[in-house]
Amino acid sequence: DTGVSQNPRHKITKRGQNVTFRCDPISEHNRLYWYRQTLGQGPEFLTYFQNEAQLEKSRLLSDRFSAERPKGSFSTLEIQRTEQGDSAMYLCASGITGTDTQYFGPGTRLTVL
Amino acid sequence: AQKVTQAQTEISVVEKEDVTLDCVYETRDTTYYLFWYKQPPSGELVFLIRRNSFDEQNEISGRYSWNFQKSTSSFNFTITASQVVDSAVYFCALSEARSGGSNYKLTFGKGTLLTVNP
Repeated sequence: DTGVSQNPRHKITKRGQNVTFRCDPISEHNRLYWYRQTLGQGPEFLTYFQNEAQLEKSRLLSDRFSAERPKGSFSTLEIQRTEQGDSAMYLCASGITGTDTQYFGPGTRLTVL
Repeated sequence: AQKVTQAQTEISVVEKEDVTLDCVYETRDTTYYLFWYKQPPSGELVFLIRRNSFDEQNEISGRYSWNFQKSTSSFNFTITASQVVDSAVYFCALSEARSGGSNYKLTFGKGTLLTVNP
């Protein structure tokens, strides 16, 4: 059984650039979640999808952030005009409606210079 | 608002010692789930356990055990006979239900860094 995969694992970018991350959930998992984790903190919820529908967005998800899940399979998280404060680990998780357990991927570590 | 408190920032033990990681939570939901995750140095969060708010039975899995006490809003995690491979950051988390009862979002504590020395 393949787990959640995320690409890239590391991304270094300059302030003002756009970046996009990809998450491939466990097959047949209809729910997909994005979290952000900064150093010394627990993950913070950003948004989640049930199939292709984005059902909830945190206030942490500013206008510069957008997430998609076309066809209810993989998801992308894009950050436009990156700022140094965006530097963090971006974690993706997937799950199945009704079980409430979320299985996490290895994360994408973003460094904004 | 949901809140999870892990008061212990760091714990250091010697191999074979028992160690308990504390977790206290706050919620207004009557139905919720509590979780523990392990985050080793590689960074990936590993699911350890999920507990329903209606099930207060303690659970044991090998060297791991969990004590859920609704009266004190606590969900503590004990590792018996700790090993060096147990060294990691451990997170307690609480699920939140949307209107309609579907749980979705996890609220995490800040984590406890456990170091097991040989």
